[in-house]
Amino acid sequence: EDQVTQSPEALRLQEGESSSLNCSYTVSGLRGLFWYRQDPGKGPEFLFTLYSAGEEKEKERLKATLTKKESFLHITAPKPEDSATYLCAVMDSSYKLIFGSGTRLLVRP
Amino acid sequence: EAGVTQSPTHLIKTRGQQATLRCSPISGHTSVYWYQQALGLGLQFLLWYDEGEERNRGNFPPRFSGRQFPNYSSELNVNALELEDSALYLCASSLNRGSWSGYTFGSGTRLTVV
Repeated sequence: EDQVTQSPEALRLQEGESSSLNCSYTVSGLRGLFWYRQDPGKGPEFLFTLYSAGEEKEKERLKATLTKKESFLHITAPKPEDSATYLCAVMDSSYKLIFGSGTRLLVRP
Repeated sequence: EAGVTQSPTHLIKTRGQQATLRCSPISGHTSVYWYQQALGLGLQFLLWYDEGEERNRGNFPPRFSGRQFPNYSSELNVNALELEDSALYLCASSLNRGSWSGYTFGSGTRLTVV
């Protein structure tokens, strides 16, 4: 069965303290791995798509990487405005996005 | 460019009633997806419509149904509401299936069943 697992469930960082979020997945016929950011009461906002092992994407303080079994979202020198829930999803062979439960990130000033 | 719009923002219904949620995709997008996000849980796939047809369905009972109109807007209907149907219902759209930019989500409809 296709599955996406994210860890940790919650993460508290001080402003400027870099860290990484993990997304491990099991899927047949991976068509892409996606990272989204979700603020409370809002819909997820697209961040990155990764397609093949070894691929990396960057956007401001965020960098996403992909291996054959997992993806990492690295946050460098985070700011309080980076506080949100970060969601990982994989697109399976039927073009359906399967989401993990997310990592709730809190960055304290 | 207008994003994905959903209405209503909030909806309160009584157990046993029916709820209708609406979604307008980004102009030019033909695929519409519905997800349920219950409190403390991840997004669960409900339905996918493309070019007016239902293409895929998640593990939800038949009382969850919907349709896509010729202008690609979509409607989600939930019949015989149960308390556990209380959740944020998210609609997303994409240019076509398997779009490399993933889906663009709306802000959701918060359904509360009392």
